[in-house]
Amino acid sequence: DAGVTQSPTHLIKTRGQHVTLRCSPISGHKSVSWYQQVLGQGPQFIFQYYEKEERGRGNFPDRFSARQFPNYSSELNVNALLLGDSALYLCASSLETENTEAFFGQGTRLTVV
Amino acid sequence: GIQVEQSPPDLILQEGANSTLRCNFSDSVNNLQWFHQNPWGQLINLFYIPSGTKQNGRLSATTVATERYSLLYISSSQTTDSGVYFCAVERPSGYSTLTFGKGTMLLVSP
Repeated sequence: DAGVTQSPTHLIKTRGQHVTLRCSPISGHKSVSWYQQVLGQGPQFIFQYYEKEERGRGNFPDRFSARQFPNYSSELNVNALLLGDSALYLCASSLETENTEAFFGQGTRLTVV
Repeated sequence: GIQVEQSPPDLILQEGANSTLRCNFSDSVNNLQWFHQNPWGQLINLFYIPSGTKQNGRLSATTVATERYSLLYISSSQTTDSGVYFCAVERPSGYSTLTFGKGTMLLVSP
């Protein structure tokens, strides 16, 4: 079975631009969560989606948005990119909304110049 | 929010040595996971261990939920064990939010 897949793996954007990151969960998993990891830190929670609805949101500005599609894949959108948005963006998939093991994709490394 | 503290922050070992990594958390949790992050950034699942003890080869983990800590044991370390080890916990909240510690950077030298 395929694991969690994310695309693209690397991305370079200019300040002020917009970016879309994509994630496909493990087959049968209905929950997708997004995390941001800056250098030297642990990942930080951005969003959780379950059954196409936002179930949780971390402490991130409104420039960050996401959605989940009927096939449970997800997109993370970031508008008006700042240099500080440079990070590894990780997607996690799990069977249910909570109390279940989370599995992570390989991440998208975003560099904003 | 919940605080997660990992220790030690850095660890250097000779190949073949044993080590213990610790994770303390400040509140009750309904999920605890240990991950190994490889040099390419991928988080590899090691254990899903809200309580009790589990073993997988040279690795084992114990979580004592009532005392709010978890331990990861690595025996007979190998150079491929190098990397960052993260502990992540989930509070009862109605949705899955993993709060990560800052990690333990492990370097195993030949």
